[in-house]
Amino acid sequence: GAGVSQSPSNKVTEKGKDVELRCDPISGHTALYWYRQSLGQGLEFLIYFQGNSAPDKSGLPSDRFSAERTGGSVSTLTIQRTQQEDSAVYLCASSSATSGGDTQYFGPGTRLTVL
Amino acid sequence: SQELEQSPQSLIVQEGKNLTINCTSSKTLYGLYWYKQKYGEGLIFLMMLQKGGEEKSHEKITAKLDEKKQQSSLHITASQPSHAGIYLCGPPVSVILKGMEYGNKLVFGAGTILRVKS
Repeated sequence: GAGVSQSPSNKVTEKGKDVELRCDPISGHTALYWYRQSLGQGLEFLIYFQGNSAPDKSGLPSDRFSAERTGGSVSTLTIQRTQQEDSAVYLCASSSATSGGDTQYFGPGTRLTVL
Repeated sequence: SQELEQSPQSLIVQEGKNLTINCTSSKTLYGLYWYKQKYGEGLIFLMMLQKGGEEKSHEKITAKLDEKKQQSSLHITASQPSHAGIYLCGPPVSVILKGMEYGNKLVFGAGTILRVKS
């Protein structure tokens, strides 16, 4: 596609429910990243995919968080048993890098609110 | 670990005025990205700097990385309301697994909120 897209744009859920966030990267981009931006804080790295595999999961806050990527394209970030502290904007980015540096292009984000 | 500090945290300027945002790292920067974020939107790539003393410009925005590669500045000339947003700086951090480099993740500072009064 023309840019990175994310869905839904907004998600309100009740504490304890599971949520799935989706990211469609730019067509052909092999690298995909998930970040989280909480109110008043900077961007926090969550997980990185190269193709379908995730060499770096170091940023996932807890085992309630998981992510997968299929077909080297779409990725879903799943949060189980959501907590209020999970409320944040979840941003996805993609780049064409297979190694080394390359510009990451971001989607518009999904704003998650846990009541 | 590398610490980034952006200053000022927030800034309000009159339309037409110039302004500068700074980004200081506790360690040598081997590259630095500048992004801009508007409320409700994703991050927009502005510029990437890699070499000491490097300076890049795009329209009315100029970014520079100092010779020691520990500080970068972003300068906006004749600010406009369209410049308003959050400016984020961050170095790429290599993702290395079993000795192989797999790309980079971004580590950002807290950001500078810019408001432009018309």
